[in-house]
Amino acid sequence: DAGITQSPRHKVTETGTPVTLRCHQTENHRYMYWYRQDPGHGLRLIHYSYGVKDTDKGEVSDGYSVSRSKTEDFLLTLESATSSQTSVYFCAISVAGEQFFGPGTRLTVL
Amino acid sequence: AQTVTQSQPEMSVQEAETVTLSCTYDTSENNYYLFWYKQPPSRQMILVIRQEAYKQQNATENRFSVNFQKAAKSFSLKISDSQLGDTAMYFCAFTLSGGYQKVTFGTGTKLQVIP
Repeated sequence: DAGITQSPRHKVTETGTPVTLRCHQTENHRYMYWYRQDPGHGLRLIHYSYGVKDTDKGEVSDGYSVSRSKTEDFLLTLESATSSQTSVYFCAISVAGEQFFGPGTRLTVL
Repeated sequence: AQTVTQSQPEMSVQEAETVTLSCTYDTSENNYYLFWYKQPPSRQMILVIRQEAYKQQNATENRFSVNFQKAAKSFSLKISDSQLGDTAMYFCAFTLSGGYQKVTFGTGTKLQVIP
C-alpha cells in the first residue's frame, strides 16, 4: 500500500461544468501521474509531475490541467467537462520505475 | 516513442490449467523495465511481476512467470494452476530505466477463469 487516495471516488456532472479530482499521497514521492482508462485503450497518461510546481503533458492532455502546490497533492482539473471525458481516472506514484496506483475515480459527464 | 501491444483482447482458461498472455513492445533503447499489472473487478491496479531488461533470467512470482525474449521484444505472462481469483484484466507495461520515466501500457487482456 503506497498510501494513495483519490477523491471523489465517483462523480456525475453535466457538460460544461468544471471538475477537480484530487490525488493525495502520504509518503513524499516525487513523481505523480494522472491516467485515464477507457475500454480498448488501456491506461493513457494525461499529465505528470516531477516535483512541486513541476508538471508536464502526457499523450491525452487536451481539456485537462493539473496543479501540484504540495508534494502530497496532485490535482486534475477538467475546465469544462465534455462527454468524451467520461472515464475512470487513476492517480499513480512511481518508485524505482514501478507504478503504484490509487483506487480510481469514476467520472460520468452527462 | 515506445509502444506496447497486447493482441489478445479476451482469453479464458479452465481452473487449475495454465494460460499464457502475450505482449510485444517496441523500443530502440537498451535499458528498461517491463511489468504485468492485474486489474480485478474491484478496479485496483496490482503489480503482478516485473522484469529488468538487463537480467537474462525470467522473473517468477509464485504461480506467475514471464518469458522475456529481448531480441524478439516479447514479454509473455504464464499463469500456472489458474484460480478463480485470477479473473481480471491484465496489462503489460513498459518504462525506460533511470530517473523519471513515463510508463506505456498495452490495451489489456481480459482473462476469465472458468470453474
